[in-house]
Amino acid sequence: QQPVQSPQAVILREGEDAVINCSSSKALYSVHWYRQKHGEAPVFLMILLKGGEQKGHDKISASFNEKKQQSSLYLTASQLSYSGTYFCGTAGSSNTGKLIFGQGTTLQVKP
Amino acid sequence: GAVVSQHPSWVICKSGTSVKIECRSLDFQATTMFWYRQFPKQSLMLMATSNEGSKATYEQGVEKDKFLINHASLTLSTLTVTSAHPEDSSFYICSARGQGLSPLHFGNGTRLTVT
Repeated sequence: QQPVQSPQAVILREGEDAVINCSSSKALYSVHWYRQKHGEAPVFLMILLKGGEQKGHDKISASFNEKKQQSSLYLTASQLSYSGTYFCGTAGSSNTGKLIFGQGTTLQVKP
Repeated sequence: GAVVSQHPSWVICKSGTSVKIECRSLDFQATTMFWYRQFPKQSLMLMATSNEGSKATYEQGVEKDKFLINHASLTLSTLTVTSAHPEDSSFYICSARGQGLSPLHFGNGTRLTVT
């Protein structure tokens, strides 16, 4: 089943923060976050595994709340380059590589 | 990092013809590759899982006779859209993963337009 992302779209000014949520009705093995710019392929951001993992890179971080079957992506002090559509991909069983993607969250960062 | 090459980047074909799209993992071996389809402003919809040396596994609602998948080697999977029709026009993206719990790496996608 497709995970549900919220919000569907968000508009920010440079320097503002944003949170994108990804929820599943099924137990998850891992959550993967990708960013896609118009007309391009998705670009990998990070993977989160079970066990309440949190990780980050630069000013983008994510958490995985296993009990709630939910993950959140945090964008801090957003930059113009953060604009794009963010997808979470969920894996329901261990290590198959098969991901089901949410419907996407479109983020637009304005100067 | 891992690189996945997809060709062609775009193709325009006439209705009724077949189109082949190639997906190669350039610096790693991929026993499994995945084919996705994406309509404008929509999510990536998994079409099938391509397994090296065996038949592909198709998602529900995907016609296996229309979307032929061949995974002839550990670095190459092909998707052939047979007897293409205008409704098959879409963005097709392949992905592959290396060993262990490494992330999926996507090809750059192929935009198919059927006239």
